[in-house]
Amino acid sequence: DQQVKQNSPSLSVQEGRISILNCDYTNSMFDYFLWYKKYPAEGPTFLISISSIKDKNEDGRFTVFLNKSAKHLSLHIVPSQPGDSAVYFCAASDVAQGAQKLVFGQGTRLTINP
Amino acid sequence: EPEVTQTPSHQVTQMGQEVILRCVPISNHLYFYWYRQILGQKVEFLVSFYNNEISEKSEIFDDQFSVERPDGSNFTLKIRSTKLEDSAMYFCASTSDRSSYNEQFFGPGTRLTVL
Repeated sequence: DQQVKQNSPSLSVQEGRISILNCDYTNSMFDYFLWYKKYPAEGPTFLISISSIKDKNEDGRFTVFLNKSAKHLSLHIVPSQPGDSAVYFCAASDVAQGAQKLVFGQGTRLTINP
Repeated sequence: EPEVTQTPSHQVTQMGQEVILRCVPISNHLYFYWYRQILGQKVEFLVSFYNNEISEKSEIFDDQFSVERPDGSNFTLKIRSTKLEDSAMYFCASTSDRSSYNEQFFGPGTRLTVL
């Protein structure tokens, strides 16, 4: 089941620069997308989300972009900080159909170098 | 800030034994979930629970698994006869309203090791 894919297992970015994490999905019924951040030995922590009626959502240093025609979303972090080093998961859900489960990507390990 | 809590943080058990993983969801939340993550793999949905009933479950959630809300605060996942392949991190999550666009809040997880 590869409905949500994060093709980059890891990403290394210099502190202060922009981090861009990518996610692709195949299920056109998905209408709600979320990004979670995970530190070792902790549960996923919600970062930011976007519904399919929007193409951009911004919260502080975090912006999520959604391209429905390409079935692609991305998370931009700017400026990147050392505390941003973690694994980032993209997740999707089909809210309109009443589906409750989140379908996760494999995660991208982000390392911010000082 | 309210949070989802899970106990124990690490459970070691012998194959064939029963385990119960416990979760306390955020107090005003109504929808509860279990997910698991096998080492090196994706976080996978197991089951969702609302109004004392399972509302959705995955293929993974076979008859060896059960969930219960025994009182007003706890939400449990029971595995009746553990297998080696049940070794994973198990995450509980909750949300206030599944019909609108609300995020699920996750607990810190229970690491289950089956020997």
